[in-house]
Amino acid sequence: QKEVEQNSGPLSVPEGAIASLNCTYSDRGSQSFFWYRQYSGKSPELIMSIYSNGDKEDGRFTAQLNKASQYVSLLIRDSQPSDSATYLCAVNRNSGNTPLVFGKGTRLSVIA
Amino acid sequence: GAGVSQSPSNKVTEKGKDVELRCDPISGHTALYWYRQSLGQGLEFLIYFQGNSAPDKSGLPSDRFSAERTGGSVSTLTIQRTQQEDSAVYLCASSLYSLAEQYFGPGTRLTVT
Repeated sequence: QKEVEQNSGPLSVPEGAIASLNCTYSDRGSQSFFWYRQYSGKSPELIMSIYSNGDKEDGRFTAQLNKASQYVSLLIRDSQPSDSATYLCAVNRNSGNTPLVFGKGTRLSVIA
Repeated sequence: GAGVSQSPSNKVTEKGKDVELRCDPISGHTALYWYRQSLGQGLEFLIYFQGNSAPDKSGLPSDRFSAERTGGSVSTLTIQRTQQEDSAVYLCASSLYSLAEQYFGPGTRLTVT
């Protein structure tokens, strides 16, 4: 089982819809969870962090964490074409060396 | 404040040459990371520095790759005897401490011809 798994997509949603991006992780002891957005040809940009079970909202973005199910998601409300990018999930390791493990990302396409 | 900076932004080199890539982290960040990203692929971890501790080199793909971090700040990633498969974008990130969120620089695009 991969440490952090994401559906590679592409996930296509119409403009104005809710985009739902999902991520599962294998390390039950993980405590920190991050979502990054990466536009084509650019570097990853941090958009959300979440540490506790439940929802965390920031503008049009909501991160959801369920540690029992080892699942973290990102919801984007009122999706815009400018949201089209690859979204990377990152999870800290409770053991081992490297602090963060990144998923391979989900490509989101918002259709105008 | 200033973010993570990297130089050069683009580097074209001939196979067999050595290259040095530089990363300047956010001031005060104790942890620094190097990643590699090939076209259309995910992030590949290379090396991690935390304070004055010995770096975690577990991601370096071969002994042609090395990195150092001087004075707990600027880091240089060196690739010796470059090969075509080394062509990728090399990304540097820093964080306030090892478990905190990482902030990425703009990357160096390396092309080996």
